Amino acid sequence: AQKVTQAQTEISVVEKEDVTLDCVYETRDTTYYLFWYKQPPSGELVFLIRRNSFDEQNEISGRYSWNFQKSTSSFNFTITASQVVDSAVYFCALSEANYGGSQGNLIFGKGTKLSVKP
Amino acid sequence: ETGVTQTPRHLVMGMTNKKSLKCEQHLGHNAMYWYKQSAKKPLELMFVYNFKEQTENNSVPSRFSPECPNSSHLFLHLHTLQPEDSALYLCASSQDPEGQLYGYTFGSGTRLTVV
Repeated sequence: AQKVTQAQTEISVVEKEDVTLDCVYETRDTTYYLFWYKQPPSGELVFLIRRNSFDEQNEISGRYSWNFQKSTSSFNFTITASQVVDSAVYFCALSEANYGGSQGNLIFGKGTKLSVKP
Repeated sequence: ETGVTQTPRHLVMGMTNKKSLKCEQHLGHNAMYWYKQSAKKPLELMFVYNFKEQTENNSVPSRFSPECPNSSHLFLHLHTLQPEDSALYLCASSQDPEGQLYGYTFGSGTRLTVV
């Protein structure tokens, strides 16, 4: 069965600190996709990144970086030099490539609330 | 604005009322989704529409009734709801049917309170 675990419910840091949000997933498929979304107080989920299971190369986008490790089924997200605007709830999600023909099988973790204080 | 517009942003309704949530996208996406976000729970997929056809109903109670008249509009009709249905209802759309190539684009949600 698919499952996404974000063990950190809330994290609070001071501006300019680095912070890592953990994500551990479970799947029986060999082909799958992992996502991170950001949900600011306004409510909408903002797509940040998508990785497929065959691409373990870590990715960096500005202050954001992602560490995908299949050996530990983890897809962690690091924000470097955090800013107050990074305060939001961050969701990790998993989608299996072959879901018996059904669609919309994006499974979310419970989210990690990040508070960045000035 | 993300490209997916949801109205109203906030809704308070009694348990005997009938109301509808609206979602609209003009991104050219062919798949649309309803998600429910309750406090301290993961986002729950409710319904999926692909090319206007419902392809998934995730065991949602019949007091929630979706409607997709075209690929750009999605409604969620509500009637005789319970207080535990109070939540943020999020609409999303995707370019590919499973959202795997480009992810989902979400609206800002409707904050529903059932009294």
